[in-house]
Amino acid sequence: EPEVTQTPSHQVTQMGQEVILRCVPISNHLYFYWYRQILGQKVEFLVSFYNNEISEKSEIFDDQFSVERPDGSNFTLKIRSTKLEDSAMYFCASSGTGAYGYTFGSGTRLTVV
Amino acid sequence: AQSVAQPEDQVNVAEGNPLTVKCTYSVSGNPYLFWYVQYPNRGLQFLLKYITGDNLVKGSYGFEAEFNKSQTSFHLKKPSALVSDSALYFCAVRDGTGGFKTIFGAGTRLFVKA
Repeated sequence: EPEVTQTPSHQVTQMGQEVILRCVPISNHLYFYWYRQILGQKVEFLVSFYNNEISEKSEIFDDQFSVERPDGSNFTLKIRSTKLEDSAMYFCASSGTGAYGYTFGSGTRLTVV
Repeated sequence: AQSVAQPEDQVNVAEGNPLTVKCTYSVSGNPYLFWYVQYPNRGLQFLLKYITGDNLVKGSYGFEAEFNKSQTSFHLKKPSALVSDSALYFCAVRDGTGGFKTIFGAGTRLFVKA
């Protein structure tokens, strides 16, 4: 069964450093998303990406965040200057259309120290 | 704006008994409704969805959910719970008439006791 893969599984970074979280969505999917989950609690929407541009973003997704699909297969989330409160599990997801459920990756646990 | 409420933080049920995990939603257009399950230290897995059609939808692992438009609810059900169903369950909604984001509820932890 096709999978969404995320790397790394765990990243520790110092406050103020830049991090890039990587995702490889399912190859024939058209919609891509990033969500985050703090301490196994609520799953929060960050951003959706379609047709090579951001289609929607939340209030969390401020100027510190950016997304990119650099080569037609990878989908990355960059946090420019990490803060302690950015520590969370970050999930990438993709879907074929908006009417389908998402396929989520296993997540990247980001720890900012 | 859309929103989802899962009124129970936790549901406890004995193995073999039926289970219900509740969800209500608010959306301005037509709702696309979803249930996901999360096992410890894992990502979210899609269980089922309602887009249109029959109000009772069937999904993975014997789960089903009933869409009730008048009560704006989409409760998850299973006729006979298994210990292995113990996990965190998320209801989610998307506005089917526009927008790209799916909003998740706070989650309900299901404990199935042997």
